[in-house]
Amino acid sequence: DADVTQTPRNRITKTGKRIMLECSQTKGHDRMYWYRQDPGLGLQLIYYSFDVKDINKGEISDGYSVSRQAQAKFSLSLESAIPNQTALYFCATSGTSGGSTDTQYFGPGTRLTVL
Amino acid sequence: GQNIDQPTEMTATEGAIVQINCTYQTSGFNGLFWYQQHAGEAPTFLSYNVLDGLEEKGRFSSFLSRSKGYSYLLLKELQMKDSASYLCAAFHGSSNTGKLIFGQGTTLQVKP
Repeated sequence: DADVTQTPRNRITKTGKRIMLECSQTKGHDRMYWYRQDPGLGLQLIYYSFDVKDINKGEISDGYSVSRQAQAKFSLSLESAIPNQTALYFCATSGTSGGSTDTQYFGPGTRLTVL
Repeated sequence: GQNIDQPTEMTATEGAIVQINCTYQTSGFNGLFWYQQHAGEAPTFLSYNVLDGLEEKGRFSSFLSRSKGYSYLLLKELQMKDSASYLCAAFHGSSNTGKLIFGQGTTLQVKP
């Protein structure tokens, strides 16, 4: 079974709709992240959480919100989706101490299309 | 500020060696990661360097020079399955507050 899972894997929605993307992990990691990936732009950090009570904005948080429901779950919401939020979204997790344990492990991604 | 630069595209021949370069400017630098990403799939961890020098893992090696803000990923004995994007990412900040800054990725095409 995959250590980091994302649901849904694909979603097509309309402008103005509220969308929630979910991420679950069985790696026992405290840290979780949400990224979006656009062609030619690499991975951009949306939000990250170092534990259940810690939520931080990333580079491109406008238009997004998150909820850390439990250590293993981190969801990303688009309150009112717009077409330029069409992208591939990845969830990632990492361990707590420094060095190579900061290695991030990625989920399979959610392809979101906003019409 | 933070800035990561790597070439957009590279092409190499099966069986050959290719070197993908990455330069970075990040405050509070604390390690350099390389990830491999096949089209439409998740990035997967390849290597991590925090000290200067070369780290070797089978066909893949990664080098870091902290004083020059420079890293490279070396792929030997290229195989067709190595066609993918290679992402350079700099970890900046402390272990309690740090995060990764990704470059835009280098798309490598391996030809027969």
